Amino acid sequence: AQKVTQAQTEISVVEKEDVTLDCVYETRDTTYYLFWYKQPPSGELVFLIRRNSFDEQNEISGRYSWNFQKSTSSFNFTITASQVVDSAVYFCALSELTGANNLFFGTGTRLTVIP
Amino acid sequence: DAGVIQSPRHEVTEMGQEVTLRCKPISGHDYLFWYRQTMMRGLELLIYFNNNVPIDDSGMPEDRFSAKMPNASFSTLKIQPSEPRDSAVYFCASSLDPASTDTQYFGPGTRLTVL
Repeated sequence: AQKVTQAQTEISVVEKEDVTLDCVYETRDTTYYLFWYKQPPSGELVFLIRRNSFDEQNEISGRYSWNFQKSTSSFNFTITASQVVDSAVYFCALSELTGANNLFFGTGTRLTVIP
Repeated sequence: DAGVIQSPRHEVTEMGQEVTLRCKPISGHDYLFWYRQTMMRGLELLIYFNNNVPIDDSGMPEDRFSAKMPNASFSTLKIQPSEPRDSAVYFCASSLDPASTDTQYFGPGTRLTVL
Protein backbone atom coordinates (compact mmCIF):
# COMPACT_ATOMS: atom_id res chain seq x y z
CA ALA A 1 0.00 0.00 0.00
CA GLN A 2 1.10 3.54 -0.60
CA LYS A 3 2.14 5.80 2.22
CA VAL A 4 3.82 9.16 2.66
CA THR A 5 5.53 10.05 5.92
CA GLN A 6 6.52 13.53 6.96
CA ALA A 7 8.00 12.96 10.38
CA GLN A 8 8.55 16.64 11.13
CA THR A 9 5.28 18.08 12.35
CA GLU A 10 6.57 21.59 12.99
CA ILE A 11 9.84 23.36 12.32
CA SER A 12 10.89 26.85 13.32
CA VAL A 13 13.90 28.60 11.88
CA VAL A 14 15.26 32.09 12.00
CA GLU A 15 15.16 34.06 8.79
CA LYS A 16 18.07 33.37 6.42
CA GLU A 17 18.68 29.93 7.84
CA ASP A 18 18.49 26.91 5.57
CA VAL A 19 15.87 24.29 6.34
CA THR A 20 15.20 20.79 5.01
CA LEU A 21 11.79 19.16 5.07
CA ASP A 22 11.85 15.39 5.02
CA CYS A 23 9.58 13.08 3.06
CA VAL A 24 9.69 9.29 2.98
CA TYR A 25 7.33 7.30 0.81
CA GLU A 26 6.22 3.72 0.29
CA THR A 27 4.88 2.24 -2.90
CA ARG A 28 4.91 -1.07 -4.73
CA ASP A 29 4.68 0.56 -8.13
CA THR A 30 7.77 1.07 -10.23
CA THR A 31 6.24 4.11 -11.90
CA TYR A 32 5.07 6.85 -9.64
CA TYR A 33 5.21 10.58 -9.13
CA LEU A 34 6.20 12.64 -6.15
CA PHE A 35 5.02 16.13 -5.40
CA TRP A 36 5.47 18.99 -3.01
CA TYR A 37 2.69 21.45 -2.32
CA LYS A 38 2.74 24.57 -0.20
CA GLN A 39 -0.25 25.70 1.85
CA PRO A 40 0.24 29.27 3.09
CA PRO A 41 -1.91 30.74 5.86
CA SER A 42 -4.45 31.83 3.26
CA GLY A 43 -5.29 28.15 2.78
CA GLU A 44 -4.82 27.43 -0.90
CA LEU A 45 -2.64 24.56 -2.10
CA VAL A 46 0.18 25.69 -4.32
CA PHE A 47 1.99 23.21 -6.53
CA LEU A 48 5.78 23.37 -6.19
CA ILE A 49 7.25 20.40 -7.99
CA ARG A 50 6.46 17.07 -9.64
CA ARG A 51 9.02 14.31 -10.06
CA ASN A 52 8.67 10.95 -11.77
CA SER A 53 10.26 7.80 -10.43
CA PHE A 54 12.70 7.52 -13.33
CA ASP A 55 14.27 10.89 -12.82
CA GLU A 56 16.53 11.03 -9.80
CA GLN A 57 18.24 14.23 -10.76
CA ASN A 58 18.14 16.83 -8.06
CA GLU A 59 16.32 19.98 -8.94
CA ILE A 60 16.92 23.57 -7.99
CA SER A 61 14.52 26.43 -8.45
CA GLY A 62 15.72 29.65 -6.91
CA ARG A 63 16.01 29.12 -3.17
CA TYR A 64 14.22 25.76 -3.40
CA SER A 65 15.91 22.46 -4.07
CA TRP A 66 14.78 18.87 -4.00
CA ASN A 67 16.74 15.71 -3.37
CA PHE A 68 15.16 12.50 -4.67
CA GLN A 69 16.78 9.23 -3.59
CA LYS A 70 15.07 6.01 -4.59
CA SER A 71 17.52 3.97 -2.51
CA THR A 72 16.09 5.48 0.65
CA SER A 73 12.60 6.25 -0.73
CA SER A 74 13.04 9.87 0.16
CA PHE A 75 12.16 13.12 -1.53
CA ASN A 76 13.45 15.92 0.66
CA PHE A 77 12.90 19.62 0.16
CA THR A 78 15.41 22.30 1.14
CA ILE A 79 14.79 26.00 1.38
CA THR A 80 17.95 28.07 1.34
CA ALA A 81 18.12 31.43 3.07
CA SER A 82 14.58 31.13 4.38
CA GLN A 83 12.25 34.11 4.38
CA VAL A 84 9.18 34.96 6.42
CA VAL A 85 7.05 34.40 3.30
CA ASP A 86 8.13 30.76 3.34
CA SER A 87 6.06 30.21 6.48
CA ALA A 88 3.44 27.66 5.50
CA VAL A 89 2.49 24.03 5.75
CA TYR A 90 4.31 21.92 3.19
CA PHE A 91 2.87 18.66 1.93
CA CYS A 92 4.65 15.85 0.20
CA ALA A 93 2.45 13.62 -1.94
CA LEU A 94 2.64 10.43 -4.00
CA SER A 95 0.72 9.44 -7.11
CA GLU A 96 0.88 6.00 -8.64
CA LEU A 97 0.38 5.54 -12.35
CA THR A 98 -1.46 2.27 -11.89
CA GLY A 99 -4.67 1.99 -9.94
CA ALA A 100 -6.38 5.08 -8.65
CA ASN A 101 -4.99 8.27 -10.06
CA ASN A 102 -5.01 10.36 -6.96
CA LEU A 103 -2.59 12.04 -4.62
CA PHE A 104 -1.71 10.45 -1.31
CA PHE A 105 -0.62 13.22 0.99
CA GLY A 106 1.66 13.20 3.96
CA THR A 107 0.47 14.89 7.11
CA GLY A 108 2.41 18.05 6.33
CA THR A 109 5.19 20.00 8.00
CA ARG A 110 4.40 23.42 9.41
CA LEU A 111 7.34 25.73 8.81
CA THR A 112 7.59 28.96 10.72
CA VAL A 113 10.28 31.41 9.73
CA ILE A 114 10.99 33.88 12.49
CA PRO A 115 12.12 37.34 11.44
CA ASP B 1 -5.84 31.37 -17.75
CA ALA B 2 -8.38 30.83 -14.97
CA GLY B 3 -7.54 28.20 -12.40
CA VAL B 4 -9.93 25.85 -10.66
CA ILE B 5 -12.90 27.78 -9.36
CA GLN B 6 -14.83 26.76 -6.28
CA SER B 7 -17.92 28.23 -4.70
CA PRO B 8 -18.83 29.20 -2.14
CA ARG B 9 -15.56 30.00 -0.41
CA HIS B 10 -17.19 29.78 2.99
CA GLU B 11 -20.35 28.02 4.05
CA VAL B 12 -21.93 27.97 7.48
CA THR B 13 -24.97 25.80 7.93
CA GLU B 14 -26.91 24.05 10.61
CA MET B 15 -26.91 20.35 11.23
CA GLY B 16 -29.41 18.55 9.04
CA GLN B 17 -29.32 21.03 6.20
CA GLU B 18 -28.29 20.17 2.66
CA VAL B 19 -25.00 21.61 1.48
CA THR B 20 -23.85 21.85 -2.15
CA LEU B 21 -20.29 22.69 -3.07
CA ARG B 22 -19.42 23.64 -6.62
CA CYS B 23 -16.35 23.32 -8.78
CA LYS B 24 -15.33 24.46 -12.23
CA PRO B 25 -12.15 22.68 -13.41
CA ILE B 26 -9.51 24.14 -15.67
CA SER B 27 -10.72 24.01 -19.25
CA GLY B 28 -9.43 20.95 -21.08
CA HIS B 29 -8.62 18.94 -17.97
CA ASP B 30 -10.01 15.41 -18.13
CA TYR B 31 -9.70 14.58 -14.43
CA LEU B 32 -11.49 16.16 -11.50
CA PHE B 33 -10.89 15.37 -7.86
CA TRP B 34 -12.62 16.22 -4.60
CA TYR B 35 -10.51 16.26 -1.44
CA ARG B 36 -11.34 17.00 2.16
CA GLN B 37 -8.92 18.47 4.68
CA THR B 38 -9.41 18.12 8.42
CA MET B 39 -7.07 18.41 11.36
CA MET B 40 -7.66 14.81 12.32
CA ARG B 41 -7.33 13.13 8.94
CA GLY B 42 -5.32 15.60 6.89
CA LEU B 43 -5.94 15.70 3.14
CA GLU B 44 -7.90 12.77 1.81
CA LEU B 45 -9.43 11.98 -1.55
CA LEU B 46 -13.18 11.65 -1.61
CA ILE B 47 -13.88 10.91 -5.27
CA TYR B 48 -12.47 11.50 -8.70
CA PHE B 49 -13.89 11.69 -12.22
CA ASN B 50 -12.40 11.01 -15.62
CA ASN B 51 -14.24 12.50 -18.57
CA ASN B 52 -17.22 13.21 -16.31
CA VAL B 53 -17.48 9.59 -15.15
CA PRO B 54 -16.88 8.74 -11.47
CA ILE B 55 -13.91 6.37 -11.32
CA ASP B 56 -13.23 5.91 -7.63
CA ASP B 57 -15.60 6.97 -4.88
CA SER B 58 -14.16 4.74 -2.18
CA GLY B 59 -13.18 7.79 -0.17
CA MET B 60 -16.72 9.11 0.13
CA PRO B 61 -17.46 8.83 3.85
CA GLU B 62 -21.03 7.63 3.69
CA ASP B 63 -24.27 7.82 1.80
CA ARG B 64 -24.86 11.35 2.94
CA PHE B 65 -22.19 12.40 0.46
CA SER B 66 -22.78 12.43 -3.28
CA ALA B 67 -20.91 13.94 -6.21
CA LYS B 68 -21.86 14.61 -9.79
CA MET B 69 -20.23 15.90 -12.90
CA PRO B 70 -22.96 16.65 -15.45
CA ASN B 71 -20.50 18.14 -17.93
CA ALA B 72 -16.80 18.79 -18.42
CA SER B 73 -16.92 22.21 -16.80
CA PHE B 74 -18.92 21.63 -13.65
CA SER B 75 -19.05 19.34 -10.65
CA THR B 76 -20.94 19.33 -7.38
CA LEU B 77 -20.37 17.71 -4.02
CA LYS B 78 -23.51 17.44 -1.96
CA ILE B 79 -23.93 16.56 1.70
CA GLN B 80 -27.44 15.70 2.84
CA PRO B 81 -28.05 15.86 5.74
CA SER B 82 -24.98 17.65 7.00
CA GLU B 83 -23.45 16.91 10.41
CA PRO B 84 -20.96 18.84 12.56
CA ARG B 85 -18.24 16.27 11.80
CA ASP B 86 -18.46 17.25 8.14
CA SER B 87 -16.87 20.59 9.01
CA ALA B 88 -13.70 20.79 6.94
CA VAL B 89 -12.11 22.47 3.96
CA TYR B 90 -13.17 20.84 0.71
CA PHE B 91 -10.82 21.17 -2.23
CA CYS B 92 -11.49 20.51 -5.86
CA ALA B 93 -8.57 19.78 -8.19
CA SER B 94 -8.21 19.04 -11.88
CA SER B 95 -5.54 17.63 -14.15
CA LEU B 96 -4.79 16.34 -17.60
CA ASP B 97 -3.97 12.72 -18.29
CA PRO B 98 -1.72 11.50 -15.45
CA ALA B 99 0.73 10.05 -17.94
CA SER B 100 1.44 13.55 -19.15
CA THR B 101 3.78 15.96 -17.46
CA ASP B 102 0.90 17.75 -15.81
CA THR B 103 -0.08 17.73 -12.17
CA GLN B 104 -3.19 18.38 -10.14
CA TYR B 105 -4.13 22.00 -9.73
CA PHE B 106 -6.21 22.88 -6.71
CA GLY B 107 -8.98 25.35 -6.24
CA PRO B 108 -9.01 27.74 -3.28
CA GLY B 109 -11.20 25.42 -1.25
CA THR B 110 -14.56 25.77 0.45
CA ARG B 111 -14.48 26.06 4.22
CA LEU B 112 -17.58 24.33 5.53
CA THR B 113 -18.79 24.80 9.08
CA VAL B 114 -21.75 22.75 10.27
CA LEU B 115 -23.20 23.96 13.54
